[in-house]
Amino acid sequence: GQQVMQIPQYQHVQEGEDFTTYCNSSTTLSNIQWYKQRPGGHPVFLIQLVKSGEVKKQKRLTFQFGEAKKNSSLHITATQTTDVGTYFCAGASNDYKLSFGAGTTVTVRA
Amino acid sequence: SAVISQKPSRDICQRGTSLTIQCQVDSQVTMMFWYRQQPGQSLTLIATANQGSEATYESGFVIDKFPISRPNLTFSTLTVSNMSPEDSSIYLCSVGTGSSGNTIYFGEGSWLTVV
Repeated sequence: GQQVMQIPQYQHVQEGEDFTTYCNSSTTLSNIQWYKQRPGGHPVFLIQLVKSGEVKKQKRLTFQFGEAKKNSSLHITATQTTDVGTYFCAGASNDYKLSFGAGTTVTVRA
Repeated sequence: SAVISQKPSRDICQRGTSLTIQCQVDSQVTMMFWYRQQPGQSLTLIATANQGSEATYESGFVIDKFPISRPNLTFSTLTVSNMSPEDSSIYLCSVGTGSSGNTIYFGEGSWLTVV
């Protein structure tokens, strides 16, 4: 079945620095979605990427979908304490099911 | 996006008992799903809740353990049966929206602890 690998599992970042989390699927995806889960909270939808090579930005967050639609990345610039949480990618196949990556848990040191 | 309400939000349950979680959506949705998130882990799809018919379960999940109802397009329940400490998890109701139905929004989850 479809598997989505996500790295790194943990990211400890100095406030103000940039970081990237990566996802890779074993199969071609119809789309990929990103979620953020704050400690003690539930996953919140951030964005969906559908097109090959698509790039979307949300303020300091840049999301990218690979040309082959098998990988994706989330890049955060100038990390702030509000960025703390776990970021999940989730790959969608054509049958509407999502396969979630393991998540990247981000902590920020001031 | 749809507004998804789950009850209970938290519960502490005795081993061997069963608990039913309710999910109410503020609009009619075609796709409803139940996910589980074990402590410190990612999300795993339990089943797709089908309106008017039996749920479609993922590998490793069975109807006897996780019976699901979906009487209409706005409501679903998940029962966790004969609970053990391994069932301590967050259980999340979610809905699929968007033109392809696979943009997923989650409820706030039901945090279950089995003692």
